[in-house]
Amino acid sequence: GAGVSQSPSNKVTEKGKDVELRCDPISGHTALYWYRQSLGQGLEFLIYFQGNSAPDKSGLPSDRFSAERTGGSVSTLTIQRTQQEDSAVYLCASSLYTSGAAYEQYFGPGTRLTVT
Amino acid sequence: DQQVKQNSPSLSVQEGRISILNCDYTNSMFDYFLWYKKYPAEGPTFLISISSIKDKNEDGRFTVFLNKSAKHLSLHIVPSQPGDSAVYFCAVRGGGNKLTFGTGTQLKVEL
Repeated sequence: GAGVSQSPSNKVTEKGKDVELRCDPISGHTALYWYRQSLGQGLEFLIYFQGNSAPDKSGLPSDRFSAERTGGSVSTLTIQRTQQEDSAVYLCASSLYTSGAAYEQYFGPGTRLTVT
Repeated sequence: DQQVKQNSPSLSVQEGRISILNCDYTNSMFDYFLWYKKYPAEGPTFLISISSIKDKNEDGRFTVFLNKSAKHLSLHIVPSQPGDSAVYFCAVRGGGNKLTFGTGTQLKVEL
């Protein structure tokens, strides 16, 4: 079946502009995660959606970052007034989830964001 | 304050030999540990995992060892193959289902 897909694959934007990144999770996966990887760094957790629960936003670096998940499926990560330090690869992952069980997260190919 | 550390940014191994990738963590409350492999321009791919109630998990050429007293995790690949050349990330889970990743180790398997 289809894996996690993300669009666009690459995005170049000018400092101060807003960007939207999209993630289509694996069908049937109830949990969706956003991470980012800056140059030379590991993956940094941003936000996590699980079913109808309130999202865990504890990793969002500033209030310029927001995300939503419509209909329990597709998610959009929005960065307002982009800064050069926002340049990174933004990765989306999805997983099955039941309380008390750990399920592996499956990642999309990422969106490479470059802020000039 | 890094909770998960991979102190070796790179490792070079000859084909057929064993590759050992290491990972240290700080929080004894982490309950699930995973290894991911990442090729350039692709997202990370899940490789193998281990629960905190175990100390070893094996899957084909890949074995993960967990030493809870030392807060140390390792991945053994044997025999190593050129296709194993990639960046390997360890990840830990604690509190909810989000993962905390290490900075990665670039493995190069040479002919």
